[in-house]
Amino acid sequence: AQSVTQPDIHITVSEGASLELRCNYSYGATPYLFWYVQSPGQGLQLLLKYFSGDTLVQGIKGFEAEFKRSQSSFNLRKPSVHWSDAAEYFCAVGASGGSQGNLIFGKGTKLSVKP
Amino acid sequence: GAVVSQHPSRVICKSGTSVKIECRSLDFQATTMFWYRQFPKQSLMLMATSNEGSKATYEQGVEKDKFLINHASLTLSTLTVTSAHPEDSSFYICSAWRGATGELFFGEGSRLTVL
Repeated sequence: AQSVTQPDIHITVSEGASLELRCNYSYGATPYLFWYVQSPGQGLQLLLKYFSGDTLVQGIKGFEAEFKRSQSSFNLRKPSVHWSDAAEYFCAVGASGGSQGNLIFGKGTKLSVKP
Repeated sequence: GAVVSQHPSRVICKSGTSVKIECRSLDFQATTMFWYRQFPKQSLMLMATSNEGSKATYEQGVEKDKFLINHASLTLSTLTVTSAHPEDSSFYICSAWRGATGELFFGEGSRLTVL
């Protein structure tokens, strides 16, 4: 069965420090992979996505993620965190070839940023 | 600007009444929209897949007679919570799939409080 695991429930980093949020997925075929960010009381905003090609993908707000098939991972990174990055981050996996958007979401990682 | 608009953002109602939440895709036609429920500090739980011109597909455990979904046009899906009870209080989020770019856009969410 398809699943997404985000091992870290809550991470705190200092402003300016680097960030890595972990995501592991279980999917039999080639997955579509996504990272979304959710601010309190808001919907989800797409940060980046991977469908195929270059395994290092760039997203908005300075985020990037690397798809590693051998590790079934799609970790999100940012070299220097800003206080405005504090939010909930969700990793998601979808079927390739036109799943029509039926994504499986991880449970999320809450990011806190210390001044 | 928002690609998917959800309305209302907050609604308070009395127990036993019905509440309708609208989800509109503003920039594209969406044959498929999704409705989720999110409990505090938890991930999104897919409730149903809304297909334009046909019946919605509900996830296991979701009462289709309680959560009525209508997708009458390519830009509008509605979720009606019928005979609402306090346990229906939650954050409801919709999303719309833009197949041309393989992206899932989310509404801003609707906070329902049933007194």
